[in-house]
Amino acid sequence: DAGITQSPRHKVTETGTPVTLRCHQTENHRYMYWYRQDPGHGLRLIHYSYGVKDTDKGEVSDGYSVSRSKTEDFLLTLESATSSQTSVYFCAISEPNRQGNEQYFGPGTRLTVT
Amino acid sequence: AQSVTQLDSQVPVFEEAPVELRCNYSSSVSVYLFWYVQYPNQGLQLLLKYLSGSTLVKGINGFEAEFNKSQTSFHLRKPSVHISDTAEYFCAVTPTGANNLFFGTGTRLTVIP
Repeated sequence: DAGITQSPRHKVTETGTPVTLRCHQTENHRYMYWYRQDPGHGLRLIHYSYGVKDTDKGEVSDGYSVSRSKTEDFLLTLESATSSQTSVYFCAISEPNRQGNEQYFGPGTRLTVT
Repeated sequence: AQSVTQLDSQVPVFEEAPVELRCNYSSSVSVYLFWYVQYPNQGLQLLLKYLSGSTLVKGINGFEAEFNKSQTSFHLRKPSVHISDTAEYFCAVTPTGANNLFFGTGTRLTVIP
């Protein structure tokens, strides 16, 4: 298994509160991604990073921000959580020099916003 | 733009029967194709991938998929399923040279004893 951990694994929070999810990798892969998984939608890309301090938006980035100050850590922040952000969040990593750029996924964080 | 369509949201099948999970994609450029599996309460695990070469790709756990460029399809097959194959399966594409994966909505495979 790729060395990817996510914390916390479960979180319940109230509407309007800030939330930060952490993804940590031990593989030294350059690319890191945040997805959300919702029934009927599959996985949708929120943000991704292609290096330290280099990030870009994905398909569903509104209401989310990210930061990457070290190769191994990629943080996802919900500045003011809303009920529509209740979801399962997955982190993924990839090394673009490998043909196909396959991604490896973490175990996920289940976030409930009440 | 890329899109992925998984035609069946749920597929029930009896144990030891064959199964096919369908995936069609749309893209104006050439793509790499992937199938991932997600077991309950876990992350996604790569089953197999098509990059180039032979259109029949073999993956883990006895699964295989065939890339059909003319029909823009990448269907997943297994000749004989086991109870342990019960999971959700996701088809995904990425344009060659790009880094973003575009996922289908998933197919939940349920193997019935």
